[in-house]
Amino acid sequence: AQSVTQPDIHITVSEGASLELRCNYSYGATPYLFWYVQSPGQGLQLLLKYFSGDTLVQGIKGFEAEFKRSQSSFNLRKPSVHWSDAAEYFCAAHFGNEKLTFGTGTRLTIIP
Amino acid sequence: GAVVSQHPSRVICKSGTSVKIECRSLDFQATTMFWYRQFPKQSLMLMATSNEGSKATYEQGVEKDKFLINHASLTLSTLTVTSAHPEDSSFYICSATTRYSNQPQHFGDGTRLSIL
Repeated sequence: AQSVTQPDIHITVSEGASLELRCNYSYGATPYLFWYVQSPGQGLQLLLKYFSGDTLVQGIKGFEAEFKRSQSSFNLRKPSVHWSDAAEYFCAAHFGNEKLTFGTGTRLTIIP
Repeated sequence: GAVVSQHPSRVICKSGTSVKIECRSLDFQATTMFWYRQFPKQSLMLMATSNEGSKATYEQGVEKDKFLINHASLTLSTLTVTSAHPEDSSFYICSATTRYSNQPQHFGDGTRLSIL
């Protein structure tokens, strides 16, 4: 079955530390992959997307993600987090149709 | 970037009333719009897919007569929660995209619906 998995429900990091949020997918081919961020009470903002080509994609707000076909992963990274990065992060994928399949989300908490 | 406006941002109303939520794409033509429902601390649940000029396609378990969707133009879709009850209280989010599947969905800021 086609699915997106975010193994970490909640992650806490110190301000200034590096961050990696995990995302795995299950699909027989390479899907279109996305990372979205959601602040409390808000909609979702697109951070970055991967369709093909260079497996390291740069996004907004200093985020990047790397597609690894061998691991069916699309992990989100940031070298140094800021307090304003505290939010819910969703990995999502298009599996050959117009619908977007979301992971369950990872809540990021930043401590001073 | 692409902007999607969702209105109202918050609604509080009595049980039995109908509530309409609007979703507008402000700077692009949205051939397809999506309506999601999000419960606290959970991911988004797709309710329906709406293509301009066509009837909406509802996901399994979503009542068509309860959640009326209209997508009459390339910039506007509406979701009407008919005869709302407390169990319909939730966070509703719309998104919009263009025809091609590799285009990302752009999301509105959501509507917090509270039924008393």
